[in-house]
Amino acid sequence: GAVVSQHPSRVICKSGTSVKIECRSLDFQATTMFWYRQFPKKSLMLMATSNEGSKATYEQGVEKDKFLINHASLTLSTLTVTSAHPEDSSFYICSARDFSGIRGTGELFFGEGSRLTVL
Amino acid sequence: GQQVMQIPQYQHVQEGEDFTTYCNSSTTLSNIQWYKQRPGGHPVFLIQLVKSGEVKKQKRLTFQFGEAKKNSSLHITATQTTDVGTYFCAGPTGGGNKLTFGTGTQLKVEL
Repeated sequence: GAVVSQHPSRVICKSGTSVKIECRSLDFQATTMFWYRQFPKKSLMLMATSNEGSKATYEQGVEKDKFLINHASLTLSTLTVTSAHPEDSSFYICSARDFSGIRGTGELFFGEGSRLTVL
Repeated sequence: GQQVMQIPQYQHVQEGEDFTTYCNSSTTLSNIQWYKQRPGGHPVFLIQLVKSGEVKKQKRLTFQFGEAKKNSSLHITATQTTDVGTYFCAGPTGGGNKLTFGTGTQLKVEL
């Protein structure tokens, strides 16, 4: 079954509103989670690394004030797209590793993804 | 920064034909991982290769890591419609904690 759960799977919002996406690790603690963005028929682009209890680390070119990341617990990270605009429409996917070694051997477990459409 | 390229970008095959995707990194990798993403779905881990020249098999899938640890390949024998999806290779970056994904190869299998 799923080891990383993401919600919502789909969201449609009006331009200018903010949207929050949740990512939860199930049955394991994730001190680090990763947020990716994927455009249609394109690869996964790492946006940021979410660190439990500290600030997220953003990749070059990703606006931290636009994409707010909070990792308040060992099983939950949230991505908030602030003042969304049509160009923010995309597929956002979170992922995490189980460093305890109980699940897998260091691979990434991905959430189901959240498809954001900004009108 | 590190770049990971895959070829081909797209591949259409008839069911039963073989398929191969090639992955090339601009830097030497400590390991390489492969993921499969079904249409409308999320990436799912397939395998990890660590050793130079390593070859691993999963039923009809054969994965290979190059001797120089800068390239890898995935070969599918006798494709089936269930093989449809996009295959990504991924290599560690940023001290090993992050993964950089390849450009992906989209496979379509026709009856």
